[in-house]
Amino acid sequence: DAKTTQPPSMDCAEGRAANLPCNHSTISGNEYVYWYRQIHSQGPQYIIHGLKNNETNEMASLIITEDRKSSTLILPHATLRDTAVYYCIVRVSDYKLSFGAGTTVTVRA
Amino acid sequence: EAGVAQSPRYKIIEKRQSVAFWCNPISGHATLYWYQQILGQGPKLLIQFQNNGVVDDSQLPKDRFSAERLKGVDSTLKIQPAKLEDSAVYLCASSSRGTGINEKLFFGSGTQLSVL
Repeated sequence: DAKTTQPPSMDCAEGRAANLPCNHSTISGNEYVYWYRQIHSQGPQYIIHGLKNNETNEMASLIITEDRKSSTLILPHATLRDTAVYYCIVRVSDYKLSFGAGTTVTVRA
Repeated sequence: EAGVAQSPRYKIIEKRQSVAFWCNPISGHATLYWYQQILGQGPKLLIQFQNNGVVDDSQLPKDRFSAERLKGVDSTLKIQPAKLEDSAVYLCASSSRGTGINEKLFFGSGTQLSVL
């Protein structure tokens, strides 16, 4: 599986956009980029995924660079409830989802 | 839609004792996963079932861990005997097919195990 690199932590002001970067320079052509998040004392929660094009849903937007070597998850208006660990995952196998250490995002009032 | 149910929520045992965790996936989901999450780390896949068959158990310490999914619905993960390093949160997840790349995993809240 392609390896991902994320900053260990970041802060964000409530109401502002949170931009979470992820590097995946060894990604191959058939690998998707997935984002999950894990709020304290809960299991991970799916956010969004994409292959080449930018994607948007009710939770977030995913921007993937043209060379697909990096991506950014955007939380458009961060709230205190968005405080969580965010995992960027590049998925190869249909059967495995491997989690790294993720980025701990703290939204401050 | 009901989510993935896990029990118990917390468990404290002494080393060398046995423990079992239970998971009931989302109705109709063919694929079930068990993950282990040690404090400060991301979840690590232990075993994956497709219906009632094992797809991948390469990361399962088979000398002490076992898992089954009878009738392709709920599942039990057992540790016997437990070691101190087994202290972790055990997460169960399910997905509808497990055969396509466009799959979302749905996780339960986990069982927090403390081995003393």
